[in-house]
Amino acid sequence: QQQVKQSPQSLIVQKGGIPIINCAYENTAFDYFPWYQQFPGKGPALLIAIRPDVSEKKEGRFTISFNKSAKQFSLHIMDSQPGDSATYFCAVSGSQGNLIFGKGTKLSVKP
Amino acid sequence: NAGVTQTPKFRVLKTGQSMTLLCAQDMNHEYMYWYRQDPGMGLRLIHYSVGEGTTAKGEVPDGYNVSRLKKQNFLLGLESAAPSQTSVYFCASRPEAGGGTDTQYFGPGTRLTVL
Repeated sequence: QQQVKQSPQSLIVQKGGIPIINCAYENTAFDYFPWYQQFPGKGPALLIAIRPDVSEKKEGRFTISFNKSAKQFSLHIMDSQPGDSATYFCAVSGSQGNLIFGKGTKLSVKP
Repeated sequence: NAGVTQTPKFRVLKTGQSMTLLCAQDMNHEYMYWYRQDPGMGLRLIHYSVGEGTTAKGEVPDGYNVSRLKKQNFLLGLESAAPSQTSVYFCASRPEAGGGTDTQYFGPGTRLTVL
């Protein structure tokens, strides 16, 4: 059973567009919801994270929206740039701190 | 600070051969992890450690062993490599739970091919 479902698998947007990546989870015990960004040939790096006591968190051009009742959260990238082209992973974590990752979304931002 | 380092960066093995991947971190983190990344599968947890001398199984532990003899090092071993273990392996570390952050810091990865 897949504990976190991420969509879409790939996404192409024009520069300045607002790509949105979605994740859905099953277990209500999860209490930490990070997004990781990975460039080709590199390890993933934390981009932004949220806890379930807030519905939205913004850091620069990146925003997480969190819907606790629907068990969904999403990443929005405002004014996207070609340098944002990367693979994005959502993840969930419970009390033990182990991360369970989604399968990833490959984002391409065209100039 | 070098952060999390992994050696080697690339390796080609023949079926049945053994090897050890080394992960080192200089951030004094308690927790360390080994993941594998396969196309379309995301990152899957192989084994992890919550402190020196401890190890635990993750989601996909079969065919792998680990050791954490020193706090800064986490070794991943393949005793008899199989083509299904062809993957990119990532190590990560983080402070202990309650340490103020749940952020995992990843190394640059090891690309392993098993022929």
